Amino acid sequence: GAVVSQHPSWVICKSGTSVKIECRSLDFQATTMFWYRQFPKQSLMLMATSNEGSKATYEQGVEKDKFLINHASLTLSTLTVTSAHPEDSSFYICSARDRLGQGYGYTFGSGTRLTVV
Amino acid sequence: QKEVEQDPGPLSVPEGAIVSLNCTYSNSAFQYFMWYRQYSRKGPELLMYTYSSGNKEDGRFTAQVDKSSKYISLFIRDSQPSDSATYLCAMKNTGNQFYFGTGTSLTVIP
Repeated sequence: GAVVSQHPSWVICKSGTSVKIECRSLDFQATTMFWYRQFPKQSLMLMATSNEGSKATYEQGVEKDKFLINHASLTLSTLTVTSAHPEDSSFYICSARDRLGQGYGYTFGSGTRLTVV
Repeated sequence: QKEVEQDPGPLSVPEGAIVSLNCTYSNSAFQYFMWYRQYSRKGPELLMYTYSSGNKEDGRFTAQVDKSSKYISLFIRDSQPSDSATYLCAMKNTGNQFYFGTGTSLTVIP
């Protein structure tokens, strides 16, 4: 089945630094990738949608200059949290949509737990 | 009002019990209904995927969708300790945006 690899699975960084999270579709091409954030005991909240080769579309309330998204190829999207602060500590999850729309079509990554100290 | 409402639990059942998980929603445009299982510190794993109303069965899992009542359910038969996880419902219309419930934490006690 379709697999989405997300890396790293966890990261600890100092306040003020930047962190990059990668999301790769391993056995399919992803036209569209999605980035979610999940706080403890809360649901997944969509942060942004990215299409290969174009600018990401951010949800209301999500700072595009703080959460930089690059979707340079059909198999890779990156999320960079710039000038991270403790309130950015969360579980970040990507999802990818199969370009060919095979089967269900959407596959989630395993998530990245970010802790900003 | 939230788009999707889900009782967060926690829900604790003995091994072998039948588990019933539910979500309600407000947007009648939703056409696709999903159930995910999420283990601690992991991404959601798709369990069931249903289009429109009706029932769908896969092994020990049965998903039901009642669009007239805006109510969906997931039943787990012969529950196992390995079923202990958080179960998220999600739904969408024809676009890409998913609307998730907050998840129900389930513990199956051996």
